[in-house]
Order: sequence, then structure tokens, then C-alpha cells
Amino acid sequence: AQSVTQLGSHVSVSEGALVLLRCNYSSSVPPYLFWYVQYPNQGLQLLLKYTSAATLVKGINGFEAEFKKSETSFHLTKPSAHMSDAAEYFCAVSDHGNNRLAFGKGNQVVVIP
Amino acid sequence: DAGVIQSPRHEVTEMGQEVTLRCKPISGHDYLFWYRQTMMRGLELLIYFNNNVPIDDSGMPEDRFSAKMPNASFSTLKIQPSEPRDSAVYFCASSLRGAYNEQFFGPGTRLTVL
Repeated sequence: AQSVTQLGSHVSVSEGALVLLRCNYSSSVPPYLFWYVQYPNQGLQLLLKYTSAATLVKGINGFEAEFKKSETSFHLTKPSAHMSDAAEYFCAVSDHGNNRLAFGKGNQVVVIP
Repeated sequence: DAGVIQSPRHEVTEMGQEVTLRCKPISGHDYLFWYRQTMMRGLELLIYFNNNVPIDDSGMPEDRFSAKMPNASFSTLKIQPSEPRDSAVYFCASSLRGAYNEQFFGPGTRLTVL
């Protein structure tokens, strides 16, 4: 079954600094990959998704992710962190054939003023 | 559209009681998913429906859990009897044409079983 790995449950970043969240996937076929964000006491919202059209995917709120097949990675970045980026971020991979999403454990991002 | 609606938002109950969580998906969506989120286990898929039919319930933890979708606009997740280890946030999500497309999540129901 497809799965994703997110290392480092908590990530601290200074306001204005680069945000980098790592995601590695395992899939025997070309995957569909997603990043979701969860703000406190809310459900998950889609940030961006990769569906094989372009390797660099731009999402909402200035986030982007790059699909690298050779590294089986789909890391999320944002050039300059804002206080409003404090949230939990989840990487997910679609499980071909049965319409499930496999989510990673998530990264809790703390933005330091 | 109002998005995915879940009720109640918070539920506190005592061990052994029956708990029913409710979900109204986005109109026109043909997939509905129930998830459970805990600190220890993260986000887990419990069950999902396609066109009101349960497709995969392999994530349902045990027979105490059951889910129904009597029509395209309503689903329930029932726990009977509830146990303290069922305490979690339960999310409902819906999508159009499965996991290749965006899943829209509801705000969740925070369940506390005493």
C-alpha cells in the first residue's frame, strides 16, 4: 500500500524565514500527492496537489511543492514564513485503485516572531 | 455552498453510552469519508462510501463502530458502547470522483468519553 513519511513532528521557523517541510512517498505507480493544512480547531484544507501535469506545483498562501521522482519526494516550501502559517501540515498520497488517501503523521509548524 | 457540515461539534459522554455523529456532505459529491484523529495515531481513515454504498470499512476499529449513509446528503457514525479510548476528533470529508480530487473536510466532532 502507498504511504508517506513526514519527519520531525514539530518545526519551528522564524518569521520571514524559509519554510521547508519534507515528504517522502512510497508508491509502485505514479502517485497523486497532496499537501493539506489544518488550522487549530478546524478541518483540513487543500494547499496543493500533484497530478503529473507539472513537477513544480503552486498552491495557496504562497506555498509550493516539487515532485522529484528520483528521490520519491514531494517537499513543501514557502520562501518567507508569516505568523498566519502556524498550523499543522499533512502530506498525503492517493492509493490507486481504491480511492483512499494515505496521510503522513503531520508537521506542527510554529512561527517565531 | 456551506461546505461539509458535522454535528455535534463537541460531545461529552460516559463510558458505555451510545454516541452518534452526523455528517452532511457537499451537494453533488459522490464520495464520503470518515476519519479519526488522535495525538497517538494521527489521522486514520475509518470508512468510505461511494454513491451511498460502503466501499472500504477496514479502518473501523471494532464492531462497536458502525456507519451508514441512507441518502446522498446524510451519513452517521455510531459508537455503541463508547469507551474512553474512543476519545478523538472525528472528521467527515467528501469529494467528487474519489481520492484523485480534493477532499473537503468538515470542522470535526470532538468526542470525549469519560
